[in-house]
Amino acid sequence: NAGVTQTPKFQVLKTGQSMTLQCAQDMNHEYMSWYRQDPGMGLRLIHYSVGAGITDQGEVPNGYNVSRSTTEDFPLRLLSAAPSQTSVYFCASRPDTTNQPQHFGDGTRLSIL
Amino acid sequence: GENVEQHPSTLSVQEGDSAVIKCTYSDSASNYFPWYKQELGKRPQLIIDIRSNVGEKKDQRIAVTLNKTAKHFSLHITETQPEDSAVYFCAARSYSGGGADGLTFGKGTHLIIQP
Repeated sequence: NAGVTQTPKFQVLKTGQSMTLQCAQDMNHEYMSWYRQDPGMGLRLIHYSVGAGITDQGEVPNGYNVSRSTTEDFPLRLLSAAPSQTSVYFCASRPDTTNQPQHFGDGTRLSIL
Repeated sequence: GENVEQHPSTLSVQEGDSAVIKCTYSDSASNYFPWYKQELGKRPQLIIDIRSNVGEKKDQRIAVTLNKTAKHFSLHITETQPEDSAVYFCAARSYSGGGADGLTFGKGTHLIIQP
């Protein structure tokens, strides 16, 4: 199993551009989440999904969209990139059972100029 | 929703000494408390977790204690080694908030092991 795979690993965008961060997991996990990590801020939840076809907002959803058409994939879309979205983005997944740990991908380092 | 406070933000200890990181949480309904270690440029990795029906859990040099009455939990690392240098995050899971995982993270502790 590859676990949680994120692409790309690095990306530089100009303000106003759009892009999609990819996340895929091969563990048949129901729950998937997107976090952003900024210095001194810990991990903050952007969006999450409890299963295919179901998504919801987290703590900091503005400027981001998600979809969950399959169990495996959970892409994160930046609609119009802003410098405030410069961050490291982590995707995570976990099984649909109580109190199981979540598994993180390697992250995408995104810079908005 | 849940609020998790983590202290200290930076901790420097001599190699071989013990390190303790403390977290408090606000939601008494929280029932799962994982700890993650993150090395520079890497993903957070789970090192130990504890559920609310136990007060202490140990795995070799790492232990976690939980006091549900006081709503705090701590990470203890004994006989610290250079490879323990990293940022450590605590988290609490409450189904009253925090999305699918219900996980709310502390802001992290940068642990520095001095040779």
